[in-house]
Amino acid sequence: GAGVSQSPSNKVTEKGKDVELRCDPISGHTALYWYRQSLGQGLEFLIYFQGNSAPDKSGLPSDRFSAERTGGSVSTLTIQRTQQEDSAVYLCASSLVGPGNTIYFGEGSWLTVV
Amino acid sequence: DAKTTQPTSMDCAEGRAANLPCNHSTISGNEYVYWYRQIHSQGPQYIIHGLKNNETNEMASLIITEDRKSSTLILPHATLRDTAVYYCTPNFGNEKLTFGTGTRLTIIP
Repeated sequence: GAGVSQSPSNKVTEKGKDVELRCDPISGHTALYWYRQSLGQGLEFLIYFQGNSAPDKSGLPSDRFSAERTGGSVSTLTIQRTQQEDSAVYLCASSLVGPGNTIYFGEGSWLTVV
Repeated sequence: DAKTTQPTSMDCAEGRAANLPCNHSTISGNEYVYWYRQIHSQGPQYIIHGLKNNETNEMASLIITEDRKSSTLILPHATLRDTAVYYCTPNFGNEKLTFGTGTRLTIIP
């Protein structure tokens, strides 16, 4: 596709349920990032995949959060046993590797935990 | 220490040029200056980036001072759709982005 595609665009889930958010990066982009943004707050880095290297998981807030990137393309962010404080927009981004490249964002997946 | 300093908010009349400043005095030699904007809570939209030279594209112009410690994003003819939060951020180009609080630009009809 032309841009970073995320699904679902909106998700309402009950507290304690697991959710999966999907990201389809721009074709050919080997770097993929997940961020989240709570209402009125700044961008919070979660995890970064780059090619076959071990992912940078330093931003994951707890062990309830995990992410996979299969075949170097599509990525899934999983949140287990969701809590109300997990409510946020989850943003995926991708880029080529190398200096001066641009990171492009998707439109995000809005998660509401009730 | 904050990597960037930007005005909290700015207003600009529709049709006029909007000039958004950013201080990035601790930028390293190989870091680019990237500008993004975010409308409501949509995904951040890339605008422009540069290393040393001034840059122009269909959206904006970027003026970088010779010492690279500050830059200015110029929207030449602002429209109501340019109302957004604008972020500048130094980055090597393939690492995780860090956004500060940005500048909330409001275009006045």
